[in-house]
Amino acid sequence: AQTVTQSQPEMSVQEAETVTLSCTYDTSENNYYLFWYKQPPSRQMILVIRQEAYKQQNATENRFSVNFQKAAKSFSLKISDSQLGDTAMYFCAFMKGTSGSRLTFGEGTQLTVNP
Amino acid sequence: NAGVTQTPKFQVLKTGQSMTLQCAQDMNHEYMSWYRQDPGMGLRLIHYSVGAGITDQGEVPNGYNVSRSTTEDFPLRLLSAAPSQTSVYFCASSRRAGYGYTFGSGTRLTVV
Repeated sequence: AQTVTQSQPEMSVQEAETVTLSCTYDTSENNYYLFWYKQPPSRQMILVIRQEAYKQQNATENRFSVNFQKAAKSFSLKISDSQLGDTAMYFCAFMKGTSGSRLTFGEGTQLTVNP
Repeated sequence: NAGVTQTPKFQVLKTGQSMTLQCAQDMNHEYMSWYRQDPGMGLRLIHYSVGAGITDQGEVPNGYNVSRSTTEDFPLRLLSAAPSQTSVYFCASSRRAGYGYTFGSGTRLTVV
């Protein structure tokens, strides 16, 4: 079974600064996908970024980028130029490539952006 | 597009009661799933479906039933509610394998 670990329950950052959220996972699969989801106080789950394991290039979406280290089974999220609206719970998630239908989530990291 | 619509948004049940959480999507997605979210535990998969007529169990299926008679709808049934089922429930859909899921806004269920 796959496991996803987020070792930082809470983090804080000043507005306009950069912050990195950590995620590690355990799997014997070679083909899989990794995701970061954001959950603001509204409770809505929002897809932030997606990474395909067979792609070497790290995914980026505007101010969000990942550092995907396949050998180390590490998938960190970097948020640049942090904004107050980035305050949210962030979840790392894993999906096997063969099933393509089941997401395994980490416990989440609560990020607070301070003015 | 409405995306993924969940009803109700809030519900209080008494122990032993049954109810159905509704989920509908208008994106013609094949894959649909139900998750529950509990404090400190992230989201855990209850049941999922890869197409109409096809369902399977996830990580925490006990006490829940699902069916998928159409592509659009994926209701979750609580057979006999227990306090341990107090949680926030999310329905999600995805167009195909490997793609990110689109989530509904969730149902906060309290069992007393």
